[in-house]
Amino acid sequence: ETGVTQTPRHLVMGMTNKKSLKCEQHLGHNAMYWYKQSAKKPLELMFVYNFKEQTENNSVPSRFSPECPNSSHLFLHLHTLQPEDSALYLCASSQDMRETYNEQFFGPGTRLTVL
Amino acid sequence: AQTVTQSQPEMSVQEAETVTLSCTYDTSESDYYLFWYKQPPSRQMILVIRQEAYKQQNATENRFSVNFQKAAKSFSLKISDSQLGDAAMYFCAYRTHNTDKLIFGTGTRLQVFP
Repeated sequence: ETGVTQTPRHLVMGMTNKKSLKCEQHLGHNAMYWYKQSAKKPLELMFVYNFKEQTENNSVPSRFSPECPNSSHLFLHLHTLQPEDSALYLCASSQDMRETYNEQFFGPGTRLTVL
Repeated sequence: AQTVTQSQPEMSVQEAETVTLSCTYDTSESDYYLFWYKQPPSRQMILVIRQEAYKQQNATENRFSVNFQKAAKSFSLKISDSQLGDAAMYFCAYRTHNTDKLIFGTGTRLQVFP
């Protein structure tokens, strides 16, 4: 595997379900991100982890719970979601915010549908 | 607060022709970075080109170049010799130099016709 991978690619869940999205980066990066991409809206940054520590929580509802056990893995735990949470969830990673450009590399995303 | 605006929801271009995608942003910072990302139908977002605000010279990457106008807060992307594989959503993004936070525009869908 190379780059940033995400599983599953598609997920359909009911409002009472609990599920998790997984992201793995094979780039040796130290920062990882969760974004939400909804139609006709800008990508919304949800969470940032730097060296496994959460450095940004962009006022995300508590029904989204991130977990970063190490610099290579990032999870997004989902519970009691709403239909408006249906979106494409993108994971990204970057080397270190101290790097000049700190380019973010994105995964293919998980298309989430909440029924 | 910083914002990024892409005023063209959709653009189209004939193969081999040139197209320019617009992006404006609002910030009170003087030191920042600007990016153009491409998201093909397969969804994986990839970086096309980037620019540091303090550099006056416009960035160029092969067929892709930018027109960076700092005073006007404008950062347009020019694609020369357009190819069918250039068809995608293009997102303009901004980041101040001391944060991780990328701020994206709403995107421009580019269609390329043979």
